[in-house]
Amino acid sequence: EAGVAQSPRYKIIEKRQSVAFWCNPISGHATLYWYQQILGQGPKLLIQFQNNGVVDDSQLPKDRFSAERLKGVDSTLKIQPAKLEDSAVYLCASSLDTRGYNSPLHFGNGTRLTVT
Amino acid sequence: EDKVVQSPLSLVVHEGDTVTLNCSYEVTNFRSLLWYKQEKKAPTFLFMLTSSGIEKKSGRLSSILDKKELSSILNITATQTGDSAIYLCAVEGGSGPLGLIFGKGTKLSVKP
Repeated sequence: EAGVAQSPRYKIIEKRQSVAFWCNPISGHATLYWYQQILGQGPKLLIQFQNNGVVDDSQLPKDRFSAERLKGVDSTLKIQPAKLEDSAVYLCASSLDTRGYNSPLHFGNGTRLTVT
Repeated sequence: EDKVVQSPLSLVVHEGDTVTLNCSYEVTNFRSLLWYKQEKKAPTFLFMLTSSGIEKKSGRLSSILDKKELSSILNITATQTGDSAIYLCAVEGGSGPLGLIFGKGTKLSVKP
């Protein structure tokens, strides 16, 4: 089974620039998550999709972050404009359903973003 | 506020030692507790626990959930250098739509 694919692996940008990350979940997984993991901390949920609908985006800084999953498969996460504190690893994860029971999250390798 | 607290935050042991990692939680609408191992890349799934008192095992790793104490432990016996990683505890639940709430992790270093 192919895993969750993310790109790019690394990105370095200057503050106030824009950046976009891409995620392709495991085939058949209806639920897709974007997490932000700041160094030394556990992952924090930014947004959760069920198919192409948003289930939870309560922790997404909507003034600068946006995400979409138009066809219910791939997803993109965008930051515009970036701030220094956005430096983190952005992890995409997918699962079969939202219940989580017997359906753990599978994570991609992440995109490491450095904002200078 | 929902939270997951792991302890210790870091731990250094020698090969062959047995370690116990702790996770406690205060999360509304608890559904399950999960353990992940994170090396340099993405977290990889270890265990999902939903029922209290039932131990899950995989090789030298085992975990158990105590719903009365709102906690879980992850045991690793006969540690190896390859066990060096950050171990993340996450709880599914919360006051909003279902999602995973992660602890900060325990960084385990196993020295030869």
